[in-house]
Amino acid sequence: KNEVEQSPQNLTAQEGEFITINCSYSVGISALHWLQQHPGGGIVSLFMLSSGKKKHGRLIATINIQEKHSSLHITASHPRDSAVYICAVRSGNQFYFGTGTSLTVIP
Amino acid sequence: ETGVTQSPTHLIKTRGQQVTLRCSSQSGHNTVSWYQQALGQGPQFIFQYYREEENGRGNFPPRFSGLQFPNYSSELNVNALELDDSALYLCASSWGGTMETQYFGPGTRLLVL
Repeated sequence: KNEVEQSPQNLTAQEGEFITINCSYSVGISALHWLQQHPGGGIVSLFMLSSGKKKHGRLIATINIQEKHSSLHITASHPRDSAVYICAVRSGNQFYFGTGTSLTVIP
Repeated sequence: ETGVTQSPTHLIKTRGQQVTLRCSSQSGHNTVSWYQQALGQGPQFIFQYYREEENGRGNFPPRFSGLQFPNYSSELNVNALELDDSALYLCASSWGGTMETQYFGPGTRLLVL
């Protein structure tokens, strides 16, 4: 069993739709990261969370420590949001990653 | 402010050989983490260095080793390469340990034949 599970694995949306990607984890964590990976491999860190909620532009990330669950929301989705979104957690001296959610936003 | 750079960008090796990958941290960062990402998979944590000391290690065998230098640049060494070592190797730098946001390099794509 993976320490970090993401859903859905693949997501296709029409431009303008509200998108939610979910992440559940089974270990105690000190921080949770949401990452964005474009084709070719480049990874950008979107958020680092240890509690509550963070917002940056059209992106919102929430975490519920008691339920061991985090969500990444994208409002008014755009084709340039098409990428793989990865959830990662820090637990002690370890990092665990989800397998990613592949998002395609169609114009 | 320079970003994280990695070299080489691509590399082809044969089974049994040794490889060294390099990473230059973003200016001011003293922590570097290395990750392996197989095709179609999420990254896996190899290890992290903080101020030249190993500060955490994932489930990788000892033939994966690393170094961090006084200027906080880093190397990943892999001995006795196996076919399954073919992957994208990513490094990420941050400041003050892993509670900080990490900045990723573009990666080195290694193919083992």
